[in-house]
Amino acid sequence: DIQMTQSPSSLSASVGDRVTITCQASQDISNYLNWYQQKPGKAPKLLIYDASNLETGVPSRFSGSGSGTDFTFTISSLQPEDIATYYCQQYDNLPQSTFGQGTRLEIK
Amino acid sequence: QLQLQESGPGLVKPSETLSLTCTVSGDSISSSGYYWGWIRQPPGKGLEWIGSIFYSGNTYYNPSLKSRVTISVDTSKNQFSLNLSSVTAADTAVYSCARHKHLACFDYWGQGTLVTVSS
Repeated sequence: DIQMTQSPSSLSASVGDRVTITCQASQDISNYLNWYQQKPGKAPKLLIYDASNLETGVPSRFSGSGSGTDFTFTISSLQPEDIATYYCQQYDNLPQSTFGQGTRLEIK
Repeated sequence: QLQLQESGPGLVKPSETLSLTCTVSGDSISSSGYYWGWIRQPPGKGLEWIGSIFYSGNTYYNPSLKSRVTISVDTSKNQFSLNLSSVTAADTAVYSCARHKHLACFDYWGQGTLVTVSS
C-alpha cells in the first residue's frame, strides 16, 4: 500500500501569510496527487488535481507542485475563508486511492 | 449542476449491515462515463476510500474492506448504493458519496451522512 505522510498536522498562520503544506508518498507516484479543502461540517472540495492543476473556479492563491514522492500545497496569501483542513490524495495504483491524514489550518 | 445526496439509517447495530443510497441529480449515471464512489471519515479522523462503481456494474473496492463491502447501481433511479456487513463501532463515520472522475479524483461530493454503530 502507498502511504501518504502529510505535514504539519496543524498550522496556525496570520491573514496574508504564505502557507505551505507538504505531502510525502511512500513510493514514486509521479504526479498522481490531488489536494482537497474541507471546511467544518462540509464535504471536501477538490482544489488541485494532478499535483499542480487548479480546479475550475478555485482562486489562484492556491497552488500545488511536486512529483515523485514529494509534493507541496501553497496558499500565497492566507484569507479568513481558507480556514479548513486540507488533505492530499494519491491515485497512482488505480483504482486504489489513499488520503493523507490532513492538515488543520487555523488563523493566528 | 450535479448534486449527490446520501440517504439511509443513522444508527446501525453491531454485526448488522449498513446500507446507504446515493441519489444523483443533474447528470445521468449511465451516460456520464464516470465512476461513482463512497468515502468515509470516522469522527476526528481522515478520509478513507471505500469503493467505486461504473454504471455497467463494474466495481472496485478498498482491499481492507473488500470482504464486507458491496456497491450496486440502479440506473433507472439514478442511484448507487453501499452495503457494509458485520459492522462494528470502528465503522462509525460520516459516509459520503462522490463522483470518482476517471478513478483519479473526487470532484463532486454529497454532504455526507453520519452513521453510528451502536446497540
